Amino acid sequence: NAGVMQNPRHLVRRRGQEARLRCSPMKGHSHVYWYRQLPEEGLKFMVYLQKENIIDESGMPKERFSAEFPKEGPSILRIQQVVRGDSAAYFCASSQGYSGANVLTFGAGSRLTVL
Amino acid sequence: GENVEQHPSTLSVQEGDSAVIKCTYSDSASNYFPWYKQELGKRPQLIIDIRSNVGEKKDQRIAVTLNKTAKHFSLHITETQPEDSAVYFCAASMRGRTSYGKLTFGQGTILTVHP
Repeated sequence: NAGVMQNPRHLVRRRGQEARLRCSPMKGHSHVYWYRQLPEEGLKFMVYLQKENIIDESGMPKERFSAEFPKEGPSILRIQQVVRGDSAAYFCASSQGYSGANVLTFGAGSRLTVL
Repeated sequence: GENVEQHPSTLSVQEGDSAVIKCTYSDSASNYFPWYKQELGKRPQLIIDIRSNVGEKKDQRIAVTLNKTAKHFSLHITETQPEDSAVYFCAASMRGRTSYGKLTFGQGTILTVHP
């Protein structure tokens, strides 16, 4: 079992560019979560998705950020027109169905640097 | 929403000593409390968790206690080893179909174990 796979591991963008981060959940997991970790801080919930559905996006900034989890392929977190404050580690986590859905397995993270 | 406070922010111990990290939460509806260990540049890894129907759980050198009345829970590491050095995060989650994987994290504790 390859675990939760995230790519790219490191991404450098200039202000105004777009960043796309991808996440493939663990085999058998149908729930995906994105968290953001600013330097020397804890993780902050961003969004919770199931296949083709956004279940909870209460932690997503209102502008420039979007997420999807299509029927086929990985979940994608998209940040448009990046700014320096978007520099952070973005972690994806996955879990099984509702029973035991609390138990999250995290990916290795994608570290975004905005120049 | 839920708020989780974690103390201390840094903890330095000698090898073989015990380490205790404490967290408080604000929402009495929270019912799942995991602890994650994060080494520098790595993914958060679940080390132990507890649900609100139990007061204590132990796994070898690691134990977690929960006081629902006071709304606080603690991580205890005995016989610490240098490889225990990492950042430890507590988290809380509420019961609910759309809340299971939505963890609220504490700010983290940097644990350093000196040989």
